Amino acid sequence: DQQVKQNSPSLSVQEGRISILNCDYTNSMFDYFLWYKKYPAEGPTFLISISSIKDKNEDGRFTVFLNKSAKHLSLHIVPSQPGDSAVYFCAAKRSGGGADGLTFGKGTHLIIQP
Amino acid sequence: GAVVSQHPSRVICKSGTSVKIECRSLDFQATTMFWYRQFPKQSLMLMATSNEGSKATYEQGVEKDKFLINHASLTLSTLTVTSAHPEDSSFYICSAVVRGRDYGYTFGSGTRLTVV
Repeated sequence: DQQVKQNSPSLSVQEGRISILNCDYTNSMFDYFLWYKKYPAEGPTFLISISSIKDKNEDGRFTVFLNKSAKHLSLHIVPSQPGDSAVYFCAAKRSGGGADGLTFGKGTHLIIQP
Repeated sequence: GAVVSQHPSRVICKSGTSVKIECRSLDFQATTMFWYRQFPKQSLMLMATSNEGSKATYEQGVEKDKFLINHASLTLSTLTVTSAHPEDSSFYICSAVVRGRDYGYTFGSGTRLTVV
């Protein structure tokens, strides 16, 4: 049972345009969400996160939006750059205050075309 | 920033042998570390939570006797894949929680295990 879903295995975007990566979750116990960027044979690199008490968090070119009622979040990258080409994972943490492991989606392969 | 060092980066072993993977926090103390496994084109699946000085907590479906976790110090956690089989071939990644940062999960660079 996939509790965090990234339904687009890949996404192709032209350089300079906006990239929008989507993520849906089913577990209402998730209260913190993170986005990671990953290259093959490397560990994930943290990009941005958002708490369930917020609906938006922005950091430079990256903005994450959370729609709690729809159990949906999205990552916006603008403007998209060639170096953004990678696999992006959405991850979620259960509420409870302790240090819990993360639940990941399957990832979306973002390809930025020149 | 917080760095997690994971070794080896890749290992090839014969079926039936055991392999140890190390995960070290270089500039911080990691009371809790996590071990994940990733199969090709799949998500990272949490295998276990490693707590310093106590037994690891395993996720459902993960064999604790096969995947031995030791977290003997605040900077080192090890995962030993015992009696490895080809189906254990995967990408294993560790992660540590950085104290003092809200849910700051830092990941190691991963280990590609191939069992032949």
